[in-house]
Amino acid sequence: QSVLTQPPSVSAAPGQKVTISCSGSSSNIGNHYVSWYQQLPGTAPKLLIYDNNNRPSGIPDRFSGSKSGTSATLGITGLQSGDEAHYYCETWDSSLSAGVFGGGTKLTVL
Amino acid sequence: EVQLLESGGGLVQPGGSLRLSCESSGFRFSSFAMSWVRQAPGKGLEWVSGVRGNGGSTDYADSVKGRFTISRDDSKNTLYMQMNSLRAEDTAVYYCARGVSPTRILYLDYWGQGTLVTVSS
Repeated sequence: QSVLTQPPSVSAAPGQKVTISCSGSSSNIGNHYVSWYQQLPGTAPKLLIYDNNNRPSGIPDRFSGSKSGTSATLGITGLQSGDEAHYYCETWDSSLSAGVFGGGTKLTVL
Repeated sequence: EVQLLESGGGLVQPGGSLRLSCESSGFRFSSFAMSWVRQAPGKGLEWVSGVRGNGGSTDYADSVKGRFTISRDDSKNTLYMQMNSLRAEDTAVYYCARGVSPTRILYLDYWGQGTLVTVSS
């Protein structure tokens, strides 16, 4: 069981917006940067968001990140069928002295 | 172009050992932290270990501490993971990934394609 809690699944229609939450504690999200990754079926993860709310070059602005207290959120607007994937949050945990990932959220575009 | 190529995976019996390698190209390897992340079949991602650049320190997940050893050879642009006392629960695809600076073993901007480790008798 991960120290970061994500909903197992979310869904929305094409063109709509969806948010994915990542809940932690003061030892992880509360005091460290959060990254988000997208994993399409059968492929390696891909970095979407770093340092809470920054996009690497090449990531469209449909993807956004935010953090408040001990929770972080990934937002995706203008949903497309190609966005169907698993999404993971990640951060450092000071108590564990280790990196931690959330359990992952499967996004279904209806 | 940044490339990471893992190798060394395979079938091993419980209690056995394996050494994974990750050959890199397209960037100054010594200047970047590196991490191993694994994914058990049908499961989520699990950070395993990281090593900082420029001869930096290492960190491990509790699940592998004392059994796995991460290392790097900057002259060969290669990352390693020595895995001992392997257990069935270590069965996973192992990815190597690059951190974005010498000190950040998370915030992983490039990933390899992964190598499968299966621990079974």
